[in-house]
Amino acid sequence: AQSVTQLGSHVSVSEGALVLLRCNYSSSVPPYLFWYVQYPNQGLQLLLKYTSAATLVKGINGFEAEFKKSETSFHLTKPSAHMSDAAEYFCAVSDSRGNTPLVFGKGTRLSVIA
Amino acid sequence: KAGVTQTPRYLIKTRGQQVTLSCSPISGHRSVSWYQQTPGQGLQFLFEYFSETQRNKGNFPGRFSGRQFSNSRSEMNVSTLELGDSALYLCASSKPQGAQETQYFGPGTRLLVL
Repeated sequence: AQSVTQLGSHVSVSEGALVLLRCNYSSSVPPYLFWYVQYPNQGLQLLLKYTSAATLVKGINGFEAEFKKSETSFHLTKPSAHMSDAAEYFCAVSDSRGNTPLVFGKGTRLSVIA
Repeated sequence: KAGVTQTPRYLIKTRGQQVTLSCSPISGHRSVSWYQQTPGQGLQFLFEYFSETQRNKGNFPGRFSGRQFSNSRSEMNVSTLELGDSALYLCASSKPQGAQETQYFGPGTRLLVL
């Protein structure tokens, strides 16, 4: 069975500071990994995804994530936080064999302080 | 291109009633998945439909059911509502591309059971 652990239910950073949201996964097969963002009263928006093509994945809004198989990690980073980045972030894993549902982490709420 | 739409956006029901939620996928998408989001349990997979057939099912009681129509629109039904069914129900659609399915989420239906 696959699982995702997001370290830190709440992360607070200053505007302009580095954003680092941690995600570790467990999977018995090569995984596909995703980061989604959820703004208040909205659905989930895809930030980026890893599908084994490249270990460093660039997404929207300046976010990127690096797949590290040895550490079973897929941490999300952004060099400089903006007030508009305040939201809930979810890491998710699916089976690369396809046709399997997403398994989500519990989410990390990001606050950006002016 | 229009995104995933869900209706209604908000719903209030009482215990014991039943409810039907609707999801219209992105044009050309044939797979529809449903997820339940609660503060305690996070995002949990309910079921997935592809070409009018249930392809995957999560660990939910039989009170939760769904179907998909020939135009790929999907409905989910919850019978005999319980207080614990209060949640945000998210629908996601995808266009099967082998194993690299990316799911695009709708805004969700927020259900409150009193």
